[in-house]
Amino acid sequence: RKEVEQDPGPFNVPEGATVAFNCTYSNSASQSFFWYRQDCRKEPKLLMSVYSSGNEDGRFTAQLNRASQYISLLIRDSKLSDSATYLCVVPRSYNTDKLIFGTGTRLQVFP
Amino acid sequence: DVKVTQSSRYLVKRTGEKVFLECVQDMDHENMFWYRQDPGLGLRLIYFSYDVKMKEKGDIPEGYSVSREKKERFSLILESASTNQTSMYLCASRSRTGPNSPLHFGNGTRLTVT
Repeated sequence: RKEVEQDPGPFNVPEGATVAFNCTYSNSASQSFFWYRQDCRKEPKLLMSVYSSGNEDGRFTAQLNRASQYISLLIRDSKLSDSATYLCVVPRSYNTDKLIFGTGTRLQVFP
Repeated sequence: DVKVTQSSRYLVKRTGEKVFLECVQDMDHENMFWYRQDPGLGLRLIYFSYDVKMKEKGDIPEGYSVSREKKERFSLILESASTNQTSMYLCASRSRTGPNSPLHFGNGTRLTVT
């Protein structure tokens, strides 16, 4: 299994829809995970941290399933401005100072 | 707010030139990173520094070197630029307060080597 794996998408959803992305990881000892958002030709920006069973911030919910080694990101009531690439980030197995990025899932919200 | 500043937004260099990419952070973070991002490959770690004068190779260090003489500054050096080093380069910093601390990125340098 790859260290971090994401479905590249694109996910094309209408405004108001609920959409979910999964990210699988290989290191069972990983404790902390992150979701970053990256707009076209911009730097990644932190969306959410996930270090227990899950985390919620407004319309965004991140969940962690340690048994199956995946994290998910749920976006409710999608807005046009949610269109971006969402990057899953996990610590490398032997060095938690190093964070490894998935290749990202692209979301396109249409009117 | 953490600020990570990369010296150039766009750079065009010729093959064989020595190229310096500079990055400065203002939050006294111990850890600093250089990534490159290419379509379909995502972000790949080039080098990592966990303290002044300390460095560690990432996944793709070939053709690159780094310098960290001061805590706030981390430089990426392309000794002899080649066309396959055309990419988006992203610098990041991270506090060592614990595993939950996130990466903070600069706004990137888009390098073209002709």
